[in-house]
Amino acid sequence: AQKITQTQPGMFVQEKEAVTLDCTYDTSDPSYGLFWYKQPSSGEMIFLIYQGSYDQQNATEGRYSLNFQKARKSANLVISASQLGDSAMYFCAMREGLGDYKLSFGAGTTVTVRA
Amino acid sequence: DSGVTQTPKHLITATGQRVTLRCSPRSGDLSVYWYQQSLDQGLQFLIQYYNGEERAKGNILERFSAQQFPDLHSELNLSSLELGDSALYFCASSVRAGPTNEQYFGPGTRLTVT
Repeated sequence: AQKITQTQPGMFVQEKEAVTLDCTYDTSDPSYGLFWYKQPSSGEMIFLIYQGSYDQQNATEGRYSLNFQKARKSANLVISASQLGDSAMYFCAMREGLGDYKLSFGAGTTVTVRA
Repeated sequence: DSGVTQTPKHLITATGQRVTLRCSPRSGDLSVYWYQQSLDQGLQFLIQYYNGEERAKGNILERFSAQQFPDLHSELNLSSLELGDSALYFCASSVRAGPTNEQYFGPGTRLTVT
């Protein structure tokens, strides 16, 4: 079964607007971490934000925030005030357990920011 | 710049050949992970090393092997290459301690098998 599901293959957003990228996950481990990575056309993977399963508050990092709904097993990424440089592929990933374990990735969502 | 380095950046080789991909983790990171990104399989975990020891194995083919050396750099060896092995291979590293253990990725090695 898929551990991470990203249902939006591609999205368009107007510059300066906010965009929400959906991510649902599946795990029976009570301890897990959720990550979002950005992959621009150049190919590198850039870590954006992290949410732990025991974290009480939603994570925020600058213009990135994570809408964590534990009961629904969703961890949506919100990018506020979109910029042209935000155009990229975005991946949701999960680590099961609290240690240095592997990541399981979703299929990704391509975001295109329009001027 | 993530601090993780990978060489070479691009590699073009023929079917049946063997190649070695190299990775140097961030300073202080003891864990190294290898991932494969292909159009049909997406991003897949291959193998993890921690301080020189194999820690976890994922969807790694028997034709592939890896090791981590005392200086913590890692190599991924791919042999008897097939067309389907063409992919972007990432190395990532992380510290073991800390609440997030986020993984930092290198720039990747793009392998093309012809």
